[in-house]
Amino acid sequence: DVKVTQSSRYLVKRTGEKVFLECVQDMDHENMFWYRQDPGLGLRLIYFSYDVKMKEKGDIPEGYSVSREKKERFSLILESASTNQTSMYLCASSSLTTNEKLFFGSGTQLSVL
Amino acid sequence: GQNIDQPTEMTATEGAIVQINCTYQTSGFNGLFWYQQHAGEAPTFLSYNVLDGLEEKGRFSSFLSRSKGYSYLLLKELQMKDSASYLCAVRPHSGNTGKLIFGQGTTLQVKP
Repeated sequence: DVKVTQSSRYLVKRTGEKVFLECVQDMDHENMFWYRQDPGLGLRLIYFSYDVKMKEKGDIPEGYSVSREKKERFSLILESASTNQTSMYLCASSSLTTNEKLFFGSGTQLSVL
Repeated sequence: GQNIDQPTEMTATEGAIVQINCTYQTSGFNGLFWYQQHAGEAPTFLSYNVLDGLEEKGRFSSFLSRSKGYSYLLLKELQMKDSASYLCAVRPHSGNTGKLIFGQGTTLQVKP
């Protein structure tokens, strides 16, 4: 089975802190994604990457950046956390060989105080 | 713009059949996905439709009409464990990006 692992299940940070969310997948997938999920708004795409060192903005990239130095790892960075970034963050990966079906990690519930 | 609509909440009885509808208006279409998400857990893949018609997989079936921009997920012989959110997602473009656009999700509550 594909495994997508997110480094933390719960995180509590203070406003202004720099926050790193890490995601690792073990199936050699080309594509990796960061979504945030908020009640009433569904999943919204922050950034995605279809190759090492490649990244593209999703629908809500403001306040975030990403890094993909290795194929299996995709990091989401909050340069200066704000309270409106309190959310559930979901990492996912996909591949052309699986019809680009998304495989999700367990999520990181981030609270910014 | 891109828009995917599904009902916010539904309630059904154990053993019954329920149909969750999804309508979409997107800049392109290259496949529709349904995911199941239990509270506090990650979404898991249920079904994929790219051609018109019905795809059946055990108790779950998914239907697509591209001309109407419409899909539904049919759950038969409902069980209590089917209580979850069901997410409809559209892939608007082909190519090696895999980007999906999600609806808000439908929270299904199954009652005894």
